Amino acid sequence: DAMVIQNPRYQVTQFGKPVTLSCSQTLNHNVMYWYQQKSSQAPKLLFHYYDKDFNNEADTPDNFQSRRPNTSFCFLDIRSPGLGDAAMYLCATSAPPGHNTEAFFGQGTRLTVV
Amino acid sequence: DAKTTQPNSMESNEEEPVHLPCNHSTISGTDYIHWYRQLPSQGPEYVIHGLTSNVNNRMASLAIAEDRKSSTLILHRATLRDAAVYYCILRGSNQFYFGTGTSLTVIP
Repeated sequence: DAMVIQNPRYQVTQFGKPVTLSCSQTLNHNVMYWYQQKSSQAPKLLFHYYDKDFNNEADTPDNFQSRRPNTSFCFLDIRSPGLGDAAMYLCATSAPPGHNTEAFFGQGTRLTVV
Repeated sequence: DAKTTQPNSMESNEEEPVHLPCNHSTISGTDYIHWYRQLPSQGPEYVIHGLTSNVNNRMASLAIAEDRKSSTLILHRATLRDAAVYYCILRGSNQFYFGTGTSLTVIP
């Protein structure tokens, strides 16, 4: 059974048109992450939530925002997508450090900007 | 944050063991060593993790150096389905930061 679900799997958006990617989890994990992965590159952490506490990476552009309305759901908002934002976006969850558990990843949403 | 260094690519013959190395010389005492793999067009998949002692599970073994500055992921018998990019990650705080990973090719 899928534990971290990302919708949609494929998203096409227009240059400059706001887009929202969704992630849900059935694991009840405290921590949720968003990663950006461009072709042939490793995933790059954009930000994460620890419960409702938002933690932005220093080099994440302001164009990327996130919302976490409850434990199960987390959204990635791209306010004005550019061609350089075309990538796979990965959502992941984990228990907090010290709980000795791994991260669980969704299958990703591949974003195309036209 | 602590960094990991891995070879860009490795090859293995099918049904032979594979040893994937990772250097993490700046590891701190509380950092766990995690390994994930990623197949094309899929999300990363957990493989194994450990702190100090060697670990075994159904997928692989993890050998951790005594000084913890390096580790090795061991696939005991490589199959074609093991062809993937393998990432070694240190986790001390909330974040999981990916290094460049090793692309494993399995030769039939």
